[in-house]
Amino acid sequence: NAGVTQTPKFRILKIGQSMTLQCTQDMNHNYMYWYRQDPGMGLKLIYYSVGAGITDKGEVPNGYNVSRSTTEDFPLRLELAAPSQTSVYFCASSYRAGEGTGELFFGEGSRLTVL
Amino acid sequence: AQSVTQPDIHITVSEGASLELRCNYSYGATPYLFWYVQSPGQGLQLLLKYFSGDTLVQGIKGFEAEFKRSQSSFNLRKPSVHWSDAAEYFCAVVDQTGANNLFFGTGTRLTVIP
Repeated sequence: NAGVTQTPKFRILKIGQSMTLQCTQDMNHNYMYWYRQDPGMGLKLIYYSVGAGITDKGEVPNGYNVSRSTTEDFPLRLELAAPSQTSVYFCASSYRAGEGTGELFFGEGSRLTVL
Repeated sequence: AQSVTQPDIHITVSEGASLELRCNYSYGATPYLFWYVQSPGQGLQLLLKYFSGDTLVQGIKGFEAEFKRSQSSFNLRKPSVHWSDAAEYFCAVVDQTGANNLFFGTGTRLTVIP
């Protein structure tokens, strides 16, 4: 059982370049999330999705875009990379019902450096 | 809005010693609280959660946490730490007033010395 898979694991971008971080899950979870993790800051929610075709902004959405065409996939797009987007990005998914609420399953992360 | 505070950025303990990591929450009603662990280079893994009922919650890897409403706390404990427990630990709370998303504290890094 693969769980949540993110690619790539590492990437270096130049300022102004674009890229997509891929995320796929095989647990049939409706809810998916993108977080970024910066030292000393914990995890901040970028975007989330409650199901195919439905996405919404989190705490720090500026500079990012997402789409959710299928239940399994939730790619994160950076259109014009900036040094402030240097971070570790985590994709997560969850099943929301009763005491399952809030239990997230995480990918291993994607470390992005913008130079 | 809900939030959690982890006052300790870094804690060092000796192997075999007891451990307590602090977490304080801000929320008017009964919060949904979680502890996650992140090993180096890995994603986060759920240790335990509290929704309601018994205020002492048991988790994986020998961890437990106690919900204390009077102190707005949800501290994580382990009676005897193993070297493999060295990791970063995050407390989190569900935003029940919004989209039920999870908000994380800033984390506590645990170092275990032999």
